[in-house]
Amino acid sequence: QVQLQESGPGLVKPSDTLSLTCTVSGDSIRSPNWWGWIRQPPGQGLEWIGYIYYTGSVHYNPSLKSRVTMSVDTSKNHFSLKLTSVTAVDTAVYYCARKKDGRNPFDPWGRGTLVTVSS
Amino acid sequence: DIVMAQSPPYVSVTPGEEVSIACRASEGIGNYLYWYQQKPDQAPTLLIKFASQSVSGVPSRFSGRGSGTDFTFTISSLEPEDAATYYCQQGYVHPLTFGGGTRVDIK
Repeated sequence: QVQLQESGPGLVKPSDTLSLTCTVSGDSIRSPNWWGWIRQPPGQGLEWIGYIYYTGSVHYNPSLKSRVTMSVDTSKNHFSLKLTSVTAVDTAVYYCARKKDGRNPFDPWGRGTLVTVSS
Repeated sequence: DIVMAQSPPYVSVTPGEEVSIACRASEGIGNYLYWYQQKPDQAPTLLIKFASQSVSGVPSRFSGRGSGTDFTFTISSLEPEDAATYYCQQGYVHPLTFGGGTRVDIK
């Protein structure tokens, strides 16, 4: 059974960098999947941030592209998200999820982690 | 960006009744349309893929249809545990986009 688990600070100061990691169990990060991030502000809908392949290929949402960097660590079977210059609007639950190569859905998702941007 | 317009935003349904949710894409997306269920304080889970294909382990009362720009998600006989918010998502082009969600409450 594939499981994903997000980890990282729950509180980030404005203008700082948000950093999260998603640890994958039950599947190899080298498998033919894209590893993605989706976020959800409190009480709002879902926004795709981007995803990464184990080779390092990435696709980012243009709305966030200038501030987003994703990376993968195959030795640790995890992948990471960095979002720079955060403001209060970046406060959200951040989910990681797997997407099979091709035009496939996200399945499964991690449980999500709330990141609050506040001083 | 492709805009996914979901309707209605909210519906209250009696157990045993049928409920349908519409999702309209601002341009054609073939059948690259997925439906998710999100219960309070939980992550979304995949219910329907490629507009109408069932997902292993998901009850058969959940179904989907449509192609191109117009899609419908149906719960044939609502159970109390179906209280949740349902989202559509297009997987046709980047950026991937979601509908605004439909909250289904139980009367």
